[in-house]
Amino acid sequence: AQSVTQLGSHVSVSEGALVLLRCNYSSSVPPYLFWYVQYPNQGLQLLLKYTSAATLVKGINGFEAEFKKSETSFHLTKPSAHMSDAAEYFCAVSALGGFKTIFGAGTRLFVKA
Amino acid sequence: EAQVTQNPRYLITVTGKKLTVTCSQNMNHEYMSWYRQDPGLGLRQIYYSMNVEVTDKGDVPEGYKVSRKEKRNFPLILESPSPNQTSLYFCASSSPLQGRTEAFFGQGTRLTVV
Repeated sequence: AQSVTQLGSHVSVSEGALVLLRCNYSSSVPPYLFWYVQYPNQGLQLLLKYTSAATLVKGINGFEAEFKKSETSFHLTKPSAHMSDAAEYFCAVSALGGFKTIFGAGTRLFVKA
Repeated sequence: EAQVTQNPRYLITVTGKKLTVTCSQNMNHEYMSWYRQDPGLGLRQIYYSMNVEVTDKGDVPEGYKVSRKEKRNFPLILESPSPNQTSLYFCASSSPLQGRTEAFFGQGTRLTVV
């Protein structure tokens, strides 16, 4: 069975500071891993995805995530936060080639001026 | 433009009055699914469909029905809505067979059942 745990329902950073959003997963088979972002009153859009090609994955808007099998983690980072990064972020795992995707509970990112 | 379209965006209804939320995608994706989003719970899958006439239950299917008669459409039906179905609903599609494992989401439907 698959599961996803996002540590911290809310994260607050200052503009220009490092963003770190944590995600741990469990999967009985090699997983596909995703990060999605949701802006207010919008659907989710893909930030980046891991499909076993490379452990460090670069996404849009300067975000990246590193797959660490030994830690079963897929944390999302961005070196310097911008006000426009304020949104809710979801980590997701799929172990059936994308046919069954499980989402974490989400982390809301606040960016302070 | 590639997109997933849901209608309506907002809906207020009364308990027991049947309703349908439509979902259509123009990307020829074989896989479609419905999620509900509730605070603190993330997105939970209601139903999914791997192709035309192939549907299956997700994690929270009670009180919902779906059908997949055409590849592009995947309507969500609430036969007798109840207040605990008040939520934000998302339709999504993907194409794992084409290597597109990520989900494309609609804009969401905010449903209130009174």
